[in-house]
Amino acid sequence: NAGVTQTPKFQVLKTGQSMTLQCAQDMNHEYMSWYRQDPGMGLRLIHYSVGAGITDQGEVPNGYNVSRSTTEDFPLRLLSAAPSQTSVYFCASSYRVTDGYTFGSGTRLTVV
Amino acid sequence: GESVGLHLPTLSVQEGDNSIINCAYSNSASDYFIWYKQESGKGPQFIIDIRSNMDKRQGQRVTVLLNKTVKHLSLQIAATQPGDSAVYFCAENLVASGTYKYIFGTGTRLKVLA
Repeated sequence: NAGVTQTPKFQVLKTGQSMTLQCAQDMNHEYMSWYRQDPGMGLRLIHYSVGAGITDQGEVPNGYNVSRSTTEDFPLRLLSAAPSQTSVYFCASSYRVTDGYTFGSGTRLTVV
Repeated sequence: GESVGLHLPTLSVQEGDNSIINCAYSNSASDYFIWYKQESGKGPQFIIDIRSNMDKRQGQRVTVLLNKTVKHLSLQIAATQPGDSAVYFCAENLVASGTYKYIFGTGTRLKVLA
């Protein structure tokens, strides 16, 4: 049982490049979310999913896309990276809405 | 992971003393609250939760208090240990609406002094 696995752990992108941050969980959790964490701003919700095939926007969705084709995977796509997207990205999952999240270890992304 | 903690309010506590970390939440309708602990370079970790129909809940060495009148949460840590040094976040949600949009506070850094 690996929990929530995020890859890569570190990434440097050039402005305008695209990439996908991977997130996988093996706990059969229906609920999954992506957050970004910036200094002094806590965690801000980007997108979330309440089950395979169902996604919705969070507080800061612009510049990001998600899909949920399976229960296990919830990738986050950066369409055209911008320096403002430099951040630490966390994927999280839970079995029920009223369960606390299990977080991945994060992806540190730098856009230059 | 240290860059995440820049500009955070900091609470410094002597080892063995009790710690109280406060959080003002934003939505008066929120009905479910969670406290998380985040150590340097790691993802947040669940500590304790509380529903809006309660005003106090206790766990192992931790107590969460909820004051809905002033939209305030607090996390009390008894006999603070060096391993408690971390950033602590509160999170809120309106579960009754069926949403899954947890909103996090900006966090408080706890430093335990030996």
